[in-house]
Amino acid sequence: AQSVAQPEDQVNVAEGNPLTVKCTYSVSGNPYLFWYVQYPNRGLQFLLKYITGDNLVKGSYGFEAEFNKSQTSFHLKKPSALVSDSALYFCAVRDLDSSYKLIFGSGTRLLVRP
Amino acid sequence: DAGITQSPRHKVTETGTPVTLRCHQTENHRYMYWYRQDPGHGLRLIHYSYGVKDTDKGEVSDGYSVSRSKTEDFLLTLESATSSQTSVYFCAISESTAGETQYFGPGTRLLVL
Repeated sequence: AQSVAQPEDQVNVAEGNPLTVKCTYSVSGNPYLFWYVQYPNRGLQFLLKYITGDNLVKGSYGFEAEFNKSQTSFHLKKPSALVSDSALYFCAVRDLDSSYKLIFGSGTRLLVRP
Repeated sequence: DAGITQSPRHKVTETGTPVTLRCHQTENHRYMYWYRQDPGHGLRLIHYSYGVKDTDKGEVSDGYSVSRSKTEDFLLTLESATSSQTSVYFCAISESTAGETQYFGPGTRLLVL
């Protein structure tokens, strides 16, 4: 069965420092991978996705993610964190057995301190 | 929020009462989804629709039903609400499946007392 794991409940980083939010996945074939961000009392906003091609994917708000097939990872990164990046981040993988379904990780709360 | 509205945005109800949540889209997307969000679980799919009157169950469908009589509207009904259905409910849409991005509505916060 397909699954996705976000091993950290919370990530703390100082403003201006690089940030990484980790995601690992398990699928039986080629994965479709997504990152979403959720600000308080809002819906999920799409950040970026990997379907095929270049392993480094660039997305909204200066975020990027690196697909690593050998480590089955899709970590979210940003070179310089902003206080306004503080939010809840979700990694998701497309369920290849059911093309309609996204499987979400449990979420990682990012806290960027001034 | 990508032309998606949800109503109501907040609701408090009592155990055993029926509740209907509405999702409305202006994007004319074929696929619509209902998720629930609970701490420690991320988002879990309740039901989805792949066209008018075409729906199917997700991973946590027990106690929920859905209907889609028009492309733009997808209704989620709790036939007899229970406290375990206290959650935040999100609607999502996508143009197709496979690698297509799902876009989410603002959510409905439901409290069942």
